[in-house]
Amino acid sequence: AAGVIQSPRHLIKEKRETATLKCYPIPRHDTVYWYQQGPGQDPQFLISFYEKMQSDKGSIPDRFSAQQFSDYHSELNMSSLELGDSALYFCASSWTSKGEQYFGPGTRLTVT
Amino acid sequence: DAKTTQPTSMDCAEGRAANLPCNHSTISGNEYVYWYRQIHSQGPQYIIHGLKNNETNEMASLIITEDRKSSTLILPHATLRDTAVYYCIVIYSWGKFQFGAGTQVVVTP
Repeated sequence: AAGVIQSPRHLIKEKRETATLKCYPIPRHDTVYWYQQGPGQDPQFLISFYEKMQSDKGSIPDRFSAQQFSDYHSELNMSSLELGDSALYFCASSWTSKGEQYFGPGTRLTVT
Repeated sequence: DAKTTQPTSMDCAEGRAANLPCNHSTISGNEYVYWYRQIHSQGPQYIIHGLKNNETNEMASLIITEDRKSSTLILPHATLRDTAVYYCIVIYSWGKFQFGAGTQVVVTP
């Protein structure tokens, strides 16, 4: 069965640079969630989209923005990167009104 | 969403049942209990969920107490590949997950 695809899987950036993470949800899933997991920490919710509209927002820095496109894929844009942004970034998708979220393999971002 | 409390860690012998408790004493009537696990930096994996009744699937069983204030995830025959952090999450029908500290389960030979 098709799973959530995230790209790239690994990304190395320098401080103050920008990064774009992409997420391709499971076909026919209309909701996308983004989570950040710092070293030794539990995943923290960043932001979610339903039918291309932002549906909820968590502890996402103002330097980050995200959107969901007409084909339902989503992109997380991160600017003015800081060392503390180094983390695993997970995308998850779900079908409307269904609680089960299916997570992608994550993107490991390293900021040097 | 209701807060959950889980033990920090537990060990389980391979082939034995693993019983993972979760306390969610402030759960409301229409909140679901979800269980996920994360194997070493992989994406969290859905295991099972329930509202009031006990549930079973090919991975595990979920036992929810009658007052719904606690639940137990049962892995019937633990294998080494079940070593992971297990998260108990309570949410309304759908929406963002608030991951708590989870239980680190180590399955030993």
